[in-house]
Amino acid sequence: GDSVTQMEGPVTLSEEAFLTINCTYTATGYPSLFWYVQYPGEGLQLLLKATKADDKGSNKGFEATYRKETTSFHLEKGSVQVSDSAVYFCALSPHNAGNMLTFGGGTRLMVKP
Amino acid sequence: DSGVTQTPKHLITATGQRVTLRCSPRSGDLSVYWYQQSLDQGLQFLIHYYNGEERAKGNILERFSAQQFPDLHSELNLSSLELGDSALYFCASSARDALHNEQFFGPGTRLTVL
Repeated sequence: GDSVTQMEGPVTLSEEAFLTINCTYTATGYPSLFWYVQYPGEGLQLLLKATKADDKGSNKGFEATYRKETTSFHLEKGSVQVSDSAVYFCALSPHNAGNMLTFGGGTRLMVKP
Repeated sequence: DSGVTQTPKHLITATGQRVTLRCSPRSGDLSVYWYQQSLDQGLQFLIHYYNGEERAKGNILERFSAQQFPDLHSELNLSSLELGDSALYFCASSARDALHNEQFFGPGTRLTVL
């Protein structure tokens, strides 16, 4: 079945550091890929998405590129802020298969001032 | 605010009991999804309803059931509760023709089984 693997956290960075959170997936066909963010005590919010190979999703300074050849969708941000501290989930949604999301285990990011 | 509402926010109950979690999707959304978030299993898809009909099932236990009503709100029923059912339960909704299934999540219901 489909699966998503992300780097385990926590990831601890200083403010203005560069962020990379790795995500790889296993799926048949051409799934859509997503990054969701969960702030403490809240539900998940869609951060960005990409729907086909080589698409780049971007939002709030975060970026991720759909790499079919490496089955990856790594999340990057050039300069993190304390307010970016949260748990980040990589997810996929297969086409024509109920549209449920399959999530990775989540990566907690802690940004220190 | 995603526009998806869930009640109650917190629920504390005992083993063997039955509870009902409620979800109201965003205005106009026909699809409702339920997910369970637990420390050991992570975020798992439970079930999907579209316009009142069940569309897909994931890792949902037989003790759990759900339905979507004509006004499109959904309820997740959990019975014969066990300690391991303690988790955050999220509801998400999406539009009928949402491109590539963008789902909007509610704030969740935290269930504690004692």
